[in-house]
Amino acid sequence: ETGVTQTPRHLVMGMTNKKSLKCEQHLGHNAMYWYKQSAKKPLELMFVYNFKEQTENNSVPSRFSPECPNSSHLFLHLHTLQPEDSALYLCASSQRWDAFPYEQYFGPGTRLTVT
Amino acid sequence: GQQVMQIPQYQHVQEGEDFTTYCNSSTTLSNIQWYKQRPGGHPVFLIQLVKSGEVKKQKRLTFQFGEAKKNSSLHITATQTTDVGTYFCAGTNAGGTSYGKLTFGQGTILTVHP
Repeated sequence: ETGVTQTPRHLVMGMTNKKSLKCEQHLGHNAMYWYKQSAKKPLELMFVYNFKEQTENNSVPSRFSPECPNSSHLFLHLHTLQPEDSALYLCASSQRWDAFPYEQYFGPGTRLTVT
Repeated sequence: GQQVMQIPQYQHVQEGEDFTTYCNSSTTLSNIQWYKQRPGGHPVFLIQLVKSGEVKKQKRLTFQFGEAKKNSSLHITATQTTDVGTYFCAGTNAGGTSYGKLTFGQGTILTVHP
């Protein structure tokens, strides 16, 4: 499946580093999402962009900074992370976020380890 | 806030046995979606239920949405080794327009022994 791609697939970073995760969708969707998946915890919605506008920030710490330059691309900028931020970060997209409950298409994820 | 509980957390079955996972929400839902995540993979959409009491089937999989739209179930008949993975339910709170704001259950990890 190549509808939603994410890079890098794996990332190891120190607590003082700055890195960015990239997501690209090729489905013509208008909504894009960042989720965090930790072991033994439900998927946590972090951010939502609908038509390039941020519509949801689910009380995410400021060390995570999203960016959505257009409807096809989504970034998650990371700085001064903590070890507890280690997780699988999943990007998803859907037709839109309002009007109707559309299914979400997930990318393969970035496995992040903070040392 | 909205909570979605899913049970059981783990389920081990012999190939050919049936499997059921249950999903319960603390609030009334507008819809419920089910996803499957294979080991090492990412969630893949299976189905969506919108109507009260709705039942949908996909081959050996049967999905139900409760009459009160607060619970749902997924039943697999005669499991196969290809059914292994984690099954998630996810719902949106009723009464709003933020349909993309899914709250996920913690998932049921299914292991099928050949």
